[in-house]
Amino acid sequence: GAVVSQHPSRVICKSGTSVKIECRSLDFQATTMFWYRQFPKQSLMLMATSNEGSKATYEQGVEKDKFLINHASLTLSTLTVTSAHPEDSSFYICSADNRVANTGELFFGEGSRLTVL
Amino acid sequence: AQSVTQLGSHVSVSEGALVLLRCNYSSSVPPYLFWYVQYPNQGLQLLLKYTTGATLVKGINGFEAEFKKSETSFHLTKPSAHMSDAAEYFCAVTLYNNNDMRFGAGTRLTVKP
Repeated sequence: GAVVSQHPSRVICKSGTSVKIECRSLDFQATTMFWYRQFPKQSLMLMATSNEGSKATYEQGVEKDKFLINHASLTLSTLTVTSAHPEDSSFYICSADNRVANTGELFFGEGSRLTVL
Repeated sequence: AQSVTQLGSHVSVSEGALVLLRCNYSSSVPPYLFWYVQYPNQGLQLLLKYTTGATLVKGINGFEAEFKKSETSFHLTKPSAHMSDAAEYFCAVTLYNNNDMRFGAGTRLTVKP
């Protein structure tokens, strides 16, 4: 089946530093990937849609300069949290769309927990 | 735009009892509907999905859901709860012509011994 891998699964950083999270589709090509943020005991909030070879589309209220998204290849999208602050601490999840399979299903990564000290 | 509403943020059942998690959707075009399960500090695992065809869909771990267009519902059921079913469950919707997936608020299922 379609597998999406996120790395790192957990990261702790100091305030003011930048953190990069990778999302890889391991056995299929994903022209579109999605990034979500999940606060404790809450649902997934779509942050942005990442399209291979073009700029990401951000949801309203999500700072583009804060959350940099790059989708340079059909199997890799990255989310960089720039100048991280404690309020950026959260669980970040990516998903990918397998257009070839065309099942309407999104495949999710395992999530990355960011803690900013 | 499409959306889903999950009724009940927390459901508690006894082991062996029926599990019923409610989901209603709103969509202007035919929806694709999904149920995902999330265990602590993990991503989402697909339980089942409805796209087209049979309205009663069976998923993993004994779960099933029925798409009822007249009620705009896609409730998740399992005849007999197991302790391992304790988790967070999310209902989600996309439209047949795009993959913009929207999630419900989630329902936390607790299973009592």
